[in-house]
Amino acid sequence: EVQLVESGGGLVQPGESLRLSCAASGFIFSSYWMTWVRQAPGKGLEWVANIKDDGGEKYYVDSVRGRFTISRDNTENSLYLQMSSLRAEDTAVYYCARDVGEAMTDYWGQGTLVTVSS
Amino acid sequence: DIQMTQSPSSLSASVGDRVTITCRASQDINNYLAWFQQKPGTAPKSLIYGSSSLHSGVPSRFSGTASGTDFTLTISSLQPEDFATYYCQQYHSYPLTFGGGSKVEIK
Repeated sequence: EVQLVESGGGLVQPGESLRLSCAASGFIFSSYWMTWVRQAPGKGLEWVANIKDDGGEKYYVDSVRGRFTISRDNTENSLYLQMSSLRAEDTAVYYCARDVGEAMTDYWGQGTLVTVSS
Repeated sequence: DIQMTQSPSSLSASVGDRVTITCRASQDINNYLAWFQQKPGTAPKSLIYGSSSLHSGVPSRFSGTASGTDFTLTISSLQPEDFATYYCQQYHSYPLTFGGGSKVEIK
């Protein structure tokens, strides 16, 4: 059974950093692209970033490029999102998701809430 | 960026109704279109990919069609568990983009 479990969310102040993790199980992690998607409170879904199976390609939405870094550790079956210079508008539930091929999402984690507030 | 325009943003329907949600892409996405279902307080669930292919385990009352840059999600006979918000997403070009969502409520 495919499982994706996010962790690392919490309350931070504007300008601070946070690292999200996603522990994957039930599939060969190193064979899949992985994605982060976020959802601000009461709002729709926003794609944030994705990363190739071997970590060799990474793509970002403009609003986070230069502040967020997606990475993975295929030996630990884990996906990460390092977030820096956080802003109030980054407040959201962050979901990790598995992609079939480059960008076709099939499985989602349960999400972790990041709140940026002073 | 490719804009995805979803309509309606909300609708009221009864159990057994046929429901149709539309998504229009601002440019050609070569059918790289997905549909997701999200219930309050839960993660999205993947329903359809490639504009018309159902993910494993998705009931056959869900279907997707495409006509150029217009895409449609149809629920042939609405069930109580189908009341949720539905999102389309294009995965043809970066940044990947979602539609604004369509909330299906009980009439």
